[in-house]
Amino acid sequence: QKEVEQNSGPLSVPEGAIASLNCTYSDRVSQSFFWYRQYSGKSPELIMSIYSNGDKEDGRFTAQLNKASQYVSLLIRDSQPSDSATYLCAVNWIPAGGGNKLTFGTGTQLKVEL
Amino acid sequence: NAGVMQNPRHLVRRRGQEARLRCSPMKGHSHVYWYRQLPEEGLKFMVYLQKENIIDESGMPKERFSAEFPKEGPSILRIQQVVRGDSAAYFCASSPPGSLAETQYFGPGTRLLVL
Repeated sequence: QKEVEQNSGPLSVPEGAIASLNCTYSDRVSQSFFWYRQYSGKSPELIMSIYSNGDKEDGRFTAQLNKASQYVSLLIRDSQPSDSATYLCAVNWIPAGGGNKLTFGTGTQLKVEL
Repeated sequence: NAGVMQNPRHLVRRRGQEARLRCSPMKGHSHVYWYRQLPEEGLKFMVYLQKENIIDESGMPKERFSAEFPKEGPSILRIQQVVRGDSAAYFCASSPPGSLAETQYFGPGTRLLVL
């Protein structure tokens, strides 16, 4: 059973600070990694994807991947109250029979306080 | 460019009735996925379809649940003889063909409530 683990939080950070969200996964042959943001009662919204070791930056967001440690993280710089949401880590691998399958963590709730 | 569309957005059924959830993928997308999110739980993969083919249904319950993606029209997730435990948010996602097939974009979801 492939697993993706996240701290459920809530993670509280002051406005303007850096929020650091972490995710570990159990499968060594996972292909790609995604961060989704989900506001309460809404659908997941893709924020970042990362495929190779290292950092990937997009605006205020930076995704970090370390395949050897089976660890992926999301940094949010200059956190805003509008960033308050649940952040879902998702890992994709290609099963032996083909296709794509995302396995999600249960999400980390982020609260950005004024 | 319209995103993934799902309807209905909310669906109320009594125990024993059938629920039909529809999903139209983004334009140009040929891969459709269904996920279920139970209250206070994470998203769980149910099924992956391409046009007229079920590629992976390893996450589908063995009974009462079925999915299709016909040549014409939306993908449909069908739940027969619903029970209260089926109450959840059901999300459809789609992805484009080719090397970007892994990147999945989600629709607004259908919230199913079984009374």
